Amino acid sequence: AQSVTQLDSHVSVSEGTPVLLRCNYSSSYSPSLFWYVQHPNKGLQLLLKYTSAATLVKGINGFEAEFKKSETSFHLTKPSAHMSDAAEYFCGLNQAGTALIFGKGTTLSVSS
Amino acid sequence: EAQVTQNPRYLITVTGKKLTVTCSQNMNHEYMSWYRQDPGLGLRQIYYSMNVEVTDKGDVPEGYKVSRKEKRNFPLILESPSPNQTSLYFCASTFLPDRGQTGELFFGEGSRLTVL
Repeated sequence: AQSVTQLDSHVSVSEGTPVLLRCNYSSSYSPSLFWYVQHPNKGLQLLLKYTSAATLVKGINGFEAEFKKSETSFHLTKPSAHMSDAAEYFCGLNQAGTALIFGKGTTLSVSS
Repeated sequence: EAQVTQNPRYLITVTGKKLTVTCSQNMNHEYMSWYRQDPGLGLRQIYYSMNVEVTDKGDVPEGYKVSRKEKRNFPLILESPSPNQTSLYFCASTFLPDRGQTGELFFGEGSRLTVL
């Protein structure tokens, strides 16, 4: 069965420091993987997606993620956090064209 | 503008009073889905539809119904709402590429439902 595990429910960083949000997955086949961001009282917005092309994926707002099959991971990173990055982040997995399942989310707090 | 539109955005209702949350997309997407979001549980899929007249259960379908009579619309029906269905609901849609995997999901802005 496929699953997504976001390893941290809450991450706190200072403005200007790196961000790391961790996501592990379980899948029988090569999955498509996604990161979405949700700002307060808003819907979800796609940050980036991996669909079996380059393993290092660049997204919007300076975020990127690296697909590591050997570690079944798809961690999201950003070199320098900005206050506007404070939001909830969801890692998602799609396999075989059916459901897109999500992890439980990671809340990112950014302090000045 | 490409979008997924949900209505109502906010609703307070009472136990047992049937309600429908509408969802409409203007991108000609084959795939549509409903999720509920609850604190600490993330997003859980309720139902999804691969095309007109094709629907299937997600992880938490109990207490919900859906229909897909037209490609653009995918309403979520709560026949007899209960307090445990108080939640934030999201509708989403995407295209289905030839190889069968879904593309990125486009989400509506959410519908916050409170059942008293």
